[in-house]
Amino acid sequence: DTEVTQTPKHLVMGMTNKKSLKCEQHMGHRAMYWYKQKAKKPPELMFVYSYEKLSINESVPSRFSPECPNSSLLNLHLHALQPEDSALYLCASSHPPGTGKANYGYTFGSGTRLTVV
Amino acid sequence: GQQLNQSPQSMFIQEGEDVSMNCTSSSIFNTWLWYKQDPGEGPVLLIALYKAGELTSNGRLTAQFGITRKDSFLNISASIPSDVGIYFCAGHLGGTSYGKLTFGQGTILTVHP
Repeated sequence: DTEVTQTPKHLVMGMTNKKSLKCEQHMGHRAMYWYKQKAKKPPELMFVYSYEKLSINESVPSRFSPECPNSSLLNLHLHALQPEDSALYLCASSHPPGTGKANYGYTFGSGTRLTVV
Repeated sequence: GQQLNQSPQSMFIQEGEDVSMNCTSSSIFNTWLWYKQDPGEGPVLLIALYKAGELTSNGRLTAQFGITRKDSFLNISASIPSDVGIYFCAGHLGGTSYGKLTFGQGTILTVHP
């Protein structure tokens, strides 16, 4: 299995809603990432998990809360979002450092298209 | 912080033509990656480069890791309509910055049949 699966594919939520984005991979990768991408712009890093521990938080507002329950799953909990948070949210995975694998190329999921109304 | 300058921003070409795009940086990277993104999808890794001077091919795609470690180019030969999409370069430094990719702004490729 060489895929990163993200659900849902599309999500519309109100500014007072609480929702979660889910990501799953079965490639044995122990590093997982959340990115935010606006139309025709490059992805912007939000969070990095390495061995299920949060290693990088790129000063993301607290209305975004990541969670890594196990080595295959990554969640992004959303609460009290703003319309400007509407974007494509991408999950990715890779081998972490220290594994002796010189493959830093991420595998990205297809993303969740989020619209905040 | 590190920035990647990717050019051109967009290209309009005829089917069968060759394409070239490049990225330059003010600082060095240890890995260069090239991704393609189709509308509504996530980026797909095309080529990964790990050594300065490395030249790697993947079908009609060829990419090189610049000898100074501050640049990379991607060539596509004999373009076809399914080459349409946005191409991103990305640099990875490693070490304490592990996990952080710096992306270029992207090259939007349009191929006319």
